[in-house]
Amino acid sequence: GAGVSQTPSNKVTEKGKYVELRCDPISGHTALYWYRQSLGQGPEFLIYFQGTGAADDSGLPNDRFFAVRPEGSVSTLKIQRTERGDSAVYLCASSQTGGINSPLHFGNGTRLTVT
Amino acid sequence: AQKITQTQPGMFVQEKEAVTLDCTYDTSDQSYGLFWYKQPSSGEMIFLIYQGSYDEQNATEGRYSLNFQKARKSANLVISASQLGDSAMYFCAMREPYSGGGADGLTFGKGTHLIIQP
Repeated sequence: GAGVSQTPSNKVTEKGKYVELRCDPISGHTALYWYRQSLGQGPEFLIYFQGTGAADDSGLPNDRFFAVRPEGSVSTLKIQRTERGDSAVYLCASSQTGGINSPLHFGNGTRLTVT
Repeated sequence: AQKITQTQPGMFVQEKEAVTLDCTYDTSDQSYGLFWYKQPSSGEMIFLIYQGSYDEQNATEGRYSLNFQKARKSANLVISASQLGDSAMYFCAMREPYSGGGADGLTFGKGTHLIIQP
């Protein structure tokens, strides 16, 4: 009965570097979401996968951000040329279906710090 | 316009008292879902309760209940008999239909920081 797993839990990187954040959803959950949470704020939507395809990537802030889910399970959020403003907690969530009544179950997040 | 508005940035409540956390929402969809999450200082997001827009009864889950007033677009969370462990951030969130079918992700409010005092 594992929950959503995110690795690493903490990542410190230098400005300009490339980072990858990994999310392993709950087994059997078809929908997967990435959110970003800054200190004192609510989570901000980034991208939503239904199966392997990105159903909605309207929340990605710019083209430095990209996410994949090649086999419909594990997902990787990729950030190129990181900036200090990218520092935040990146949360991944999954839900059993993409239905309105299906709650999202969150991982513990990856805290990204760009120095 | 904000889709989810939580007007109480912080609240202090005495242990064992009931507490109401306010949430109003904005949507033009007839079908939508409303959720409350708890985020302790450890950072995990814990799902508490769900209310569907077509549900006629207010949702309840143990000490949590949702005061759903559809005409006012209000979905307040009520915690009865508060406990010290209830101290956390509380987020109201909404899920709307997605144009491509199914539902989109959650849109969150800014949260309310609840502190329970002994």
